[in-house]
Amino acid sequence: GQQLNQSPQSMFIQEGEDVSMNCTSSSIFNTWLWYKQDPGEGPVLLIALYKAGELTSNGRLTAQFGITRKDSFLNISASIPSDVGIYFCAGTRLNSGGSNYKLTFGKGTLLTVNP
Amino acid sequence: GAGVSQSPSNKVTEKGKDVELRCDPISGHTALYWYRQSLGQGLEFLIYFQGNSAPDKSGLPSDRFSAERTGGSVSTLTIQRTQQEDSAVYLCASSRRTASEAFFGQGTRLTVV
Repeated sequence: GQQLNQSPQSMFIQEGEDVSMNCTSSSIFNTWLWYKQDPGEGPVLLIALYKAGELTSNGRLTAQFGITRKDSFLNISASIPSDVGIYFCAGTRLNSGGSNYKLTFGKGTLLTVNP
Repeated sequence: GAGVSQSPSNKVTEKGKDVELRCDPISGHTALYWYRQSLGQGLEFLIYFQGNSAPDKSGLPSDRFSAERTGGSVSTLTIQRTQQEDSAVYLCASSRRTASEAFFGQGTRLTVV
């Protein structure tokens, strides 16, 4: 089945450092999404990307939809302690009926920020 | 409330018992999704509802799993004869249209002992 390969699995960084994580797939996706999940909570959408090559920012977060439609990255600049959490990439593909309701998730990147 | 609400937050059950997990979506959201998150894993799609219909049940792991939605609102995920491998966090999400617009609930952590 479809899989998203997310890396790295975990990161330990100092406050103020920049962070980069990425997702790749063997299949084409028409939407790429990045979520953050805090303990005991559901994932919260950070950035949604809808077009190949699209580069989108949300505050200190920047994400890009790869030109091949098979990859995406997320950058976090000037990290702060509250950035701690699990970051997931996800994608949707159009099915034969033209619907894209199913999210396929990566396994997540656990980010730890040392103050 | 304004968000997706799931109950219970935590459920511990004995192997072989049936459990029901409830999801109250955001008002007006016609699409509803169930996902399962095992320890250290990403979210795994279970089922998708559009209104009260489930066009895609392909993610349900076995016939012990079933889900329904009534009144285009509340959904219940039922697991019969629970097994230890069913232990996971079960997440519900809802959206007006597409999955990329979905909001997730806080999940139900199911532990089968």
